[in-house]
Amino acid sequence: QVQLVQSGAEVRKPGASVKVSCKASGYTFSTFYMHWVRQAPGQGLEWMGIIHPSGGSTSYAQKFQGRVTMTRDTSTSTVYMELSSLRSEDTAMYYCARDDCINGVCYPSYWGQGTLVTVSS
Amino acid sequence: QSVLTQPPSASGTPGQRVTISCSGSSSNIGSNYVYWYRQFPGTAPKLLIYRNDQRPSGVPDRFSGSKSGTSASLAISGLRSEDEADYCCAAWDDSLSGWVFGGGTKLTVL
Repeated sequence: QVQLVQSGAEVRKPGASVKVSCKASGYTFSTFYMHWVRQAPGQGLEWMGIIHPSGGSTSYAQKFQGRVTMTRDTSTSTVYMELSSLRSEDTAMYYCARDDCINGVCYPSYWGQGTLVTVSS
Repeated sequence: QSVLTQPPSASGTPGQRVTISCSGSSSNIGSNYVYWYRQFPGTAPKLLIYRNDQRPSGVPDRFSGSKSGTSASLAISGLRSEDEADYCCAAWDDSLSGWVFGGGTKLTVL
């Protein structure tokens, strides 16, 4: 079965960077896009971007352009999301979510357990 | 401020039917499929409805989705206490070239 296991909680100071990992198993890693979505405390979900594990192509939400970098390691079936120049508003739960596709229409379907990133001085 | 608009809360009594609305625009709901996710406190979202009205295996037929124009709805019939959770809608947005979500609706079973 599809499993996405994320790295543990992180605490960073403002201005620092954080790198969150998401290790996939239970399917062919290179086949499906992976999203990153975050949720600030008490707020709704916010899409950050997407990466294709096969070629590494990425597409980022405009809000995060220049601050986010998504990468992957096919040897370990792991995708990474690095967010730089952190500020207090970046305190949130960060999720990876794997696409599922039906007849060429794809959508976030399987979710990791989430990684809490706290930005505090 | 979320791109898709949902009521912050909804409620119903056991056995009742409740609906949760999701309002968008021509660039998202108006031209793309709508998806619904359920999230219990402290856990990750889980897909509930895909492609407007389709249920993944394991989701009971008490849950149904619909879409009309730039709005969508999630209906839950035969309400149960275990349905108490946050429900969130999502769609691809052609103008933003990204996924957009609603702010979520907290469902309370009275």
